[in-house]
Amino acid sequence: SQQGEEDPQALSIQEGENATMNCSYKTSINNLQWYRQNSGRGLVHLILIRSNEREKHSGRLRVTLDTSKKSSSLLITASRAADTASYFCATAGGYQKVTFGTGTKLQVIP
Amino acid sequence: KAGVTQTPRYLIKTRGQQVTLSCSPISGHRSVSWYQQTPGQGLQFLFEYFSETQRNKGNFPGRFSGRQFSNSRSEMNVSTLELGDSALYLCASSLALGDADTQYFGPGTRLTVL
Repeated sequence: SQQGEEDPQALSIQEGENATMNCSYKTSINNLQWYRQNSGRGLVHLILIRSNEREKHSGRLRVTLDTSKKSSSLLITASRAADTASYFCATAGGYQKVTFGTGTKLQVIP
Repeated sequence: KAGVTQTPRYLIKTRGQQVTLSCSPISGHRSVSWYQQTPGQGLQFLFEYFSETQRNKGNFPGRFSGRQFSNSRSEMNVSTLELGDSALYLCASSLALGDADTQYFGPGTRLTVL
């Protein structure tokens, strides 16, 4: 079973627009991570946010975490065609397995 | 530093056979985790090894097993293959156990069971 549910399941935007995807989870966590996967290949780590952090930035990425609502969002600003991929959130609490969400499939149209 | 490598990249087997997949973690990383990814179930955790010991296990039948060697390289084995075992198998390595550190993923092994 998966801990995280992502919303939307699919998103199609024009190049240059911003893309926002959301992740909700069920149990307490120590941190939440976002990954990108290009078409059936390995996952690339994007950003990690700890449970005591509310917002984190990395280049064009902005991640927020609301532990009271058990939710996180990933914002990609000024999207590019190369951002086309599936994006997953992953959660874990303590020495437990990392659990991935269902993923958001992002398509950026040039 | 070289990334996580997985071999083979592609594999075709028939039902009832067994298969062994290999994963070499990033140098210095002692934790290796395995995941199964299918269109229907998404990314499912299989197991995690640290210092040659299985530390966590997902909800998979006993046909799925693994091990880790003293150099941190890991193998996973699936016996008596079923059609539903067709999937992308991903290996990830990290410095520490559990969620204490970022996981770095390999390119995966795509297994097709006919």
